Amino acid sequence: DAGVTQSPTHLIKTRGQQVTLRCSPKSGHDTVSWYQQALGQGPQFIFQYYEEEERQRGNFPDRFSGHQFPNYSSELNVNALLLGDSALYLCASSTLQTSGRALSYNEQFFGPGTRLTVL
Amino acid sequence: GQQLNQSPQSMFIQEGEDVSMNCTSSSIFNTWLWYKQDPGEGPVLLIALYKAGELTSNGRLTAQFGITRKDSFLNISASIPSDVGIYFCAGQLISQFYFGTGTSLTVIP
Repeated sequence: DAGVTQSPTHLIKTRGQQVTLRCSPKSGHDTVSWYQQALGQGPQFIFQYYEEEERQRGNFPDRFSGHQFPNYSSELNVNALLLGDSALYLCASSTLQTSGRALSYNEQFFGPGTRLTVL
Repeated sequence: GQQLNQSPQSMFIQEGEDVSMNCTSSSIFNTWLWYKQDPGEGPVLLIALYKAGELTSNGRLTAQFGITRKDSFLNISASIPSDVGIYFCAGQLISQFYFGTGTSLTVIP
């Protein structure tokens, strides 16, 4: 059973460029969330995709966009890169489940991350 | 966004000692999770808690979901060198997960 996979592992870009990061969720999971983790910080939520739509979004500018495909895999796109975008980008997958009348998400599992360096 | 305060920020302990760290929030969460992250890797889920007051163990790790639903703690008993890493708490609210600031653990052999 494959866990969450991400590609590429590392990426170096220059300011102003655009980047696309990819994520495949854990088998059986249908929800993908993206996080940005700066050095020495906890992960910060960027957005979440479910049923090929963005469902939730954190406090990130429109330069950050995403997509989810029918097979549940996802992409994170960042345009007009800034030096401050240098970080570890983490993908996490989960699945929505019902518990009585409440909808809740099962625990998230993270991929190994993509280390983005912007020069 | 939601603010999770995690303490202590860092710990230096002798091998064999017990460790305790906690996480508090101003918001009520539906789920509390504890993760361990090694350098350059993604966080690995250690324990998930779903009900207020719930106490759950995973080997030498024990975590509790606070009664107020605004806090959680993680205990590690009889620490070993491979426990070294950064531990993060995370709280789930609706469909989002919010992370604490992390506790860096160093185990001295």
